[in-house]
Amino acid sequence: QVQLVQSGTEVKKPGASVKVSCKASGYTFPIYGFKWVRQAPGQGLEWMGWIVGYNGETKYAQNFHGRVTMTTDTSTSTAYMELRSLRSDDTAVYYCARAYCSGGTCYTPIDYWGQGTLVTVSS
Amino acid sequence: EIVLTQSPDFQSVTPKETVIITCRASQSIGNSLHWYQQKPDQSPKLLIRYASQSFSGVPSRFSGGGSGTDFTLTINGLEAEDAATYYCHQSSSLPETFGQGTKVEIK
Repeated sequence: QVQLVQSGTEVKKPGASVKVSCKASGYTFPIYGFKWVRQAPGQGLEWMGWIVGYNGETKYAQNFHGRVTMTTDTSTSTAYMELRSLRSDDTAVYYCARAYCSGGTCYTPIDYWGQGTLVTVSS
Repeated sequence: EIVLTQSPDFQSVTPKETVIITCRASQSIGNSLHWYQQKPDQSPKLLIRYASQSFSGVPSRFSGGGSGTDFTLTINGLEAEDAATYYCHQSSSLPETFGQGTKVEIK
């Protein structure tokens, strides 16, 4: 069965960086991509961007441009999301999520989600 | 950016009742509208994709409809386990966006 297992809770100081990993199993990795979505405490869902599994093409939300980098390692079926220059309002649960990609784009629904990684930014 | 507006924000419902949640898009998105269920302290789960296609394993009491700008999620015969927050999501254009969520409480 499809599983996305994310790395554990992180506590960071303002200005630092965080890198969240997401190990995929149970399916053919390159056919799909990853969308990253975050959820601040008690709030709704916010799309951060996507990365195509087979070629690493990315699209990022304008809100995160310049601060976020999404990558994949096909040899280990793992996706990564790095967020830099952290601020207190980056405190959130970060989800990796699978989506089908075709022709270098992923305009598709999210069909499976990781368990989430809580990132707390506090001085 | 396409704004998705859900209504209502909150609904308290008796078991076996029918629940209808609406999602309105600020511009036409065809059928690129998807619905998720999120229970407390859990990740969201896909219920309906492309407006009306039920995802594998989802109970038949969940159904979706609509196209263009107006969409609905219907829960026929609410069960206690359906207490959750429900989100719509559009993948028609970037940035992808989500509705603000509808919390369904069981009376």
